[in-house]
Amino acid sequence: DTEVTQTPKHLVMGMTNKKSLKCEQHMGHRAMYWYKQKAKKPPELMFVYSYEKLSINESVPSRFSPECPNSSLLNLHLHALQPEDSALYLCASSQDPGLGADTQYFGPGTRLTVL
Amino acid sequence: GQNIDQPTEMTATEGAIVQINCTYQTSGFNGLFWYQQHAGEAPTFLSYNVLDGLEEKGRFSSFLSRSKGYSYLLLKELQMKDSASYLCAVTSGGGNKLTFGTGTQLKVEL
Repeated sequence: DTEVTQTPKHLVMGMTNKKSLKCEQHMGHRAMYWYKQKAKKPPELMFVYSYEKLSINESVPSRFSPECPNSSLLNLHLHALQPEDSALYLCASSQDPGLGADTQYFGPGTRLTVL
Repeated sequence: GQNIDQPTEMTATEGAIVQINCTYQTSGFNGLFWYQQHAGEAPTFLSYNVLDGLEEKGRFSSFLSRSKGYSYLLLKELQMKDSASYLCAVTSGGGNKLTFGTGTQLKVEL
């Protein structure tokens, strides 16, 4: 089973709202990732959590705040977003962050629209 | 930095074979991955290469030459459902950071 789940599937929010995206995996993976994907562009890495600790932040604006409550869950808290933040947000997980070439498995994504 | 190049679009005929090329320039190379992505859906893992050579998985094969910074994905017995974007991605350095190429949009025609 290589399933990563994400909720919600779609989210529409105003620029003053606070919302959260959720990601879950039960494969025992110890690394989890957030990516942002704009239309007709490849996914871009935002954050990496390794053994529940933030290991990579790709200079993401502070209006995006990741959280890893435990090894199975990953959240992305959103606050004061801009319309240009509208995109598909993908979560991924991989087995062992210590491996240099560790396959990442993606969830279905959350389609976010900021009005 | 990293530079990953793929053709933007390709068209092939149902039942045929198609090869999608990917060239990359990176320091601290760890591995190269291929993903398939249908419009509006998440990327699906297809194959990966760490060492030089060919990896075969059913109708899909992937080749890597580390010295040349070159990989290709070979799709055999093409089906209409293979119409999708194919993403070449590289991990390098620590942290298993995955960097994607721009993707190749494959259209399979009758």
